[in-house]
Amino acid sequence: AQSVTQLDSQVPVFEEAPVELRCNYSSSVSVYLFWYVQYPNQGLQLLLKYLSGSTLVKGINGFEAEFNKSQTSFHLRKPSVHISDTAEYFCAVSDRMDTGRRALTFGSGTRLQVQP
Amino acid sequence: GAVVSQHPSWVICKSGTSVKIECRSLDFQATTMFWYRQFPKQSLMLMATSNEGSKATYEQGVEKDKFLINHASLTLSTLTVTSAHPEDSSFYICSATKKETSSGANVLTFGAGSRLTVL
Repeated sequence: AQSVTQLDSQVPVFEEAPVELRCNYSSSVSVYLFWYVQYPNQGLQLLLKYLSGSTLVKGINGFEAEFNKSQTSFHLRKPSVHISDTAEYFCAVSDRMDTGRRALTFGSGTRLQVQP
Repeated sequence: GAVVSQHPSWVICKSGTSVKIECRSLDFQATTMFWYRQFPKQSLMLMATSNEGSKATYEQGVEKDKFLINHASLTLSTLTVTSAHPEDSSFYICSATKKETSSGANVLTFGAGSRLTVL
């Protein structure tokens, strides 16, 4: 079984400031890791994913995340945020042995609020 | 890229009626689709796993007779909320799995969601 913890339910930040959204996971097996963004009244859009290889993963909209196996973390970062980045962000994990018949395990979400 | 279409995006219905929500994978075949429910300001709650050609697998606490799921083809799954009541009002999101050819990983693509309001 896996679990995902997003430590911050809300993160307020000023425009053009850097931001880090924290994600920690727990799993007894190797995992794939994902960050999704959800804008109001919309579905989830994949920001980035870690499958293998380099632990620093770059995604869309200038976001990046770093996989840290020893700390079981996958924190999301952006060096300079925009008003349009205001949204809900979800960290998720899936089992590497997943045959595709198992859903992702999601964190509780972090609301990023970018203020002018 | 993988695209999942969900329809309708908004639906309002009277209490006691049934509502059907469609989820289609537009450019790939999905043997497995998932249905989630999301309450305001909360995370996604997995309701059921929709398997093409077989019965859906429901999560604990989800009434299978109330939330009927049919996976008629490799590109279409439907969720029917039967005899809807105001407490069924929620945001319903589907997702489909596509295997990445480069890594072999299964990556979920989500529909845009369907907002159901039961009066």
